[in-house]
Amino acid sequence: ILNVEQSPQSLHVQEGDSTNFTCSFPSSNFYALHWYRWETAKSPEALFVMTLNGDEKKKGRISATLNTKEGYSYLYIKGSQPEDSATYLCASLTGANNLFFGTGTRLTVIP
Amino acid sequence: DAEITQSPRHKITETGRQVTLACHQTWNHNNMFWYRQDLGHGLRLIHYSYGVQDTNKGEVSDGYSVSRSNTEDLPLTLESAASSQTSVYFCASSEGQLAKNIQYFGAGTRLSVL
Repeated sequence: ILNVEQSPQSLHVQEGDSTNFTCSFPSSNFYALHWYRWETAKSPEALFVMTLNGDEKKKGRISATLNTKEGYSYLYIKGSQPEDSATYLCASLTGANNLFFGTGTRLTVIP
Repeated sequence: DAEITQSPRHKITETGRQVTLACHQTWNHNNMFWYRQDLGHGLRLIHYSYGVQDTNKGEVSDGYSVSRSNTEDLPLTLESAASSQTSVYFCASSEGQLAKNIQYFGAGTRLSVL
């Protein structure tokens, strides 16, 4: 069992604000780090898969960075919009080939 | 369009009954996974399969079983349902040999065990 932690648990921001949240994972036996976006009443959708230390990925206003040596990843949202409201999940993959998910950061963007 | 479907979407059953949840994907993915999602926990892996006739236990496999007789389907069976198995169940699939590839999730099955 892998301890994947996300912070904060929940976050309220005003429309137009930029925000970021953290995923922490054990750095030993690291293989990959996944980010998913999960809207209420829908199923999780993949945002990024990151494998290399120093990786940076971008998709529109959302970007992510990865530090495998210290075991963390940041997800950034620039200029938050109400449609960004969702729970953002990260999951760490170890050499055992199982994904271990964090409990998510629930983002609410206030119009 | 390729997709992954779960059925039923909602199920109520009684303690001790055997229940099977269906998962069907049309992507021809090798890898399929079953998770459960409970308040205060992230998605937790129940069982997974990397191909036909391959099945593996995940983090919370007790009381569950799966079988993989073809590429498209990975049914999840609760041998004797318990109230602790009341949860939302998600099936997922991914391509390639390993779980590093992104996973595509079904819409979930909400199971209540009374």
